[in-house]
Amino acid sequence: GGIITQTPKFLIGQEGQKLTLKCQQNFNHDTMYWYRQDSGKGLRLIYYSITENDLQKGDLSEGYDASREKKSSFSLTVTSAQKNEMAVFLCASSRTGNYAEQFFGPGTRLTVL
Amino acid sequence: GQQVQQSPASLVLQEGENAELQCNFSTSLNSMQWFYQRPGGSLVSLFYNPSGTKHSGRLTSTTVIKERRSSLHISSSQTTDSGTYLCALEQGSNYQLIWGSGTKLIIKP
Repeated sequence: GGIITQTPKFLIGQEGQKLTLKCQQNFNHDTMYWYRQDSGKGLRLIYYSITENDLQKGDLSEGYDASREKKSSFSLTVTSAQKNEMAVFLCASSRTGNYAEQFFGPGTRLTVL
Repeated sequence: GQQVQQSPASLVLQEGENAELQCNFSTSLNSMQWFYQRPGGSLVSLFYNPSGTKHSGRLTSTTVIKERRSSLHISSSQTTDSGTYLCALEQGSNYQLIWGSGTKLIIKP
């Protein structure tokens, strides 16, 4: 087994601010993901990374940067937070390749004032 | 059209009743993953089911590839089962899961 931790749990920022969310996993998984979930809606993939220093864009990458500093950690940066932006950001990890179950962290809830 | 259609969108049951949730898909599938999410909570993986039937306590997942469907059955529902259930399809070597729109389940005491 393993665990995914996300920090912070709650993030409040100002419009235009650069904000960073962090994710750590101890599954020893190669692939990590960042998703955004808006209230009452499904998940949208922002970025994923299949190995250290790799980055792949998802459907929602505009407005975000990501960094895979090492195998166990994957950071997401909101480059310029938008007012009234409120969403939960979920980090996940999986093995690489086919038949790869994804495991999720507890989420970071973002509010922009 | 949507590649994964989840139904029903919402379901209200009395405690003790059984719940049946469905995901129909129109694309190739490696596996269907079922998740549970409490309001404001994280996603808990319930099943990772490429085909056939899997059991976990009161939960049963069945994926029938030929019929392009996957179901989640909850027997003898409890109020603590309330929440949102999501299915997500893993397709080939594509890392992007294709998500259903979710079923909001409310179990009344």
